Amino acid sequence: DIQMTQSPSSVSASVGDRVTITCRASQSISTWLAWYQQKPGKAPKLLIFAASSLQSGVPSRFSGSGSGTDFTLTISSLQPEDFATYYCQQANSFPLTFGGGTKVEIK
Amino acid sequence: EVQLLESGGGLVQPGGSLRLSCTASGFTFSSYAMSWVRQAPGKGLEWVSLISGGGSNKYYADSVKGRFTISRDNSKNTLYLQVNSLRAEDMAIYYCATGKVGTTTHNWFDPWGQGTLVTVSS
Repeated sequence: DIQMTQSPSSVSASVGDRVTITCRASQSISTWLAWYQQKPGKAPKLLIFAASSLQSGVPSRFSGSGSGTDFTLTISSLQPEDFATYYCQQANSFPLTFGGGTKVEIK
Repeated sequence: EVQLLESGGGLVQPGGSLRLSCTASGFTFSSYAMSWVRQAPGKGLEWVSLISGGGSNKYYADSVKGRFTISRDNSKNTLYLQVNSLRAEDMAIYYCATGKVGTTTHNWFDPWGQGTLVTVSS
């Protein structure tokens, strides 16, 4: 199975800050990676697919990069509505696996 | 508007069974792979199972293989998850989620339903 490791597990940031979350796969997954945002009590929402493609309707302050084993989700200027937990997911092979999550908290 | 509505969760004793349902609307259900993803209380996301649009190809996480069965009825736009031999560690919110058109490979999920809670306790 492919293990997905996210870091950090939590980050405290202020509105307007640039926030970077990393996700590392235990083996190469090319660009078969997605990022999700989940707010408390809500279902996850797809932000980024294929490592760097922005899902329709997602603000352009979100961006993704990487290939192979190392990936990054960047929020260029954190907004109040961005405080949430973020997950990566590998789509390279079954079983599909998620990272452990990164909670973005208000500083 | 695309909508997914799960139902069927509830309180069940260890060793018990449930059938979860997910009714879809607003898109051509039969064209899409569909999946179940669960989330234990206060924990992260865990992929459970995926089924092809036609229903012939099915994939499972090792943790549920042999106990859970995914199926779909495209005439009813409904996805199912039969969960048997339930254990304490199966307690979670179960989400249904929409995969890709026409393929079971390289799936990510959008949108998701609101989830249905399965509680396993004696």
